[in-house]
Amino acid sequence: GIQVEQSPPDLILQEGANSTLRCNFSDSVNNLQWFHQNPWGQLINLFYIPSGTKQNGRLSATTVATERYSLLYISSSQTTDSGVYFCAVYYGNNRLAFGKGNQVVVIP
Amino acid sequence: EPEVTQTPSHQVTQMGQEVILRCVPISNHLYFYWYRQILGQKVEFLVSFYNNEISEKSEIFDDRFSVERPDGSNFTLKIRSTKLEDSAMYFCASKQGATYEQYFGPGTRLTVT
Repeated sequence: GIQVEQSPPDLILQEGANSTLRCNFSDSVNNLQWFHQNPWGQLINLFYIPSGTKQNGRLSATTVATERYSLLYISSSQTTDSGVYFCAVYYGNNRLAFGKGNQVVVIP
Repeated sequence: EPEVTQTPSHQVTQMGQEVILRCVPISNHLYFYWYRQILGQKVEFLVSFYNNEISEKSEIFDDRFSVERPDGSNFTLKIRSTKLEDSAMYFCASKQGATYEQYFGPGTRLTVT
């Protein structure tokens, strides 16, 4: 099956710092989503981004499908940004394949 | 804003028992999914459902698992003869036919003792 690799697995940030999370995938995909899993376990949609760049407040994402990667940028991080960020790619009959996630801790 | 809802939020059951996890997808969505996440691990696809039948299922979705859309609003996952390794967070998701974006519910944490 398709492989989805996320890096770095763990990241500790000082509040106010910027960071970049990376997602590499092994095969051509139909589309890609980024999620934030909050401390209560809920999966929050961040971006649905097959290609190009999208921005939402302090977060932005870029997908380069031809090179099989996507990046999630967090700027001016806040403690509420803590949690696990998942990249998930669509393949086959629109099933999602998730990466193992990026565990982000933002300290005040 | 419409959202996917799931009940219960937490279910505890004894090994060997049957459980039913319930989901109410977003009302105009046509495609429905179940995923699971074992604690500390990644989210894994279980099954997709469209037009009242299973579209695709993973190797995890063995013959103890079944899904049903009993009416126009609910989507259920039934697990028979539960095992300890079924303990996980189970997520329901749905999507509108015309787009690919899936929306996830808040999850049901299943604990098998």
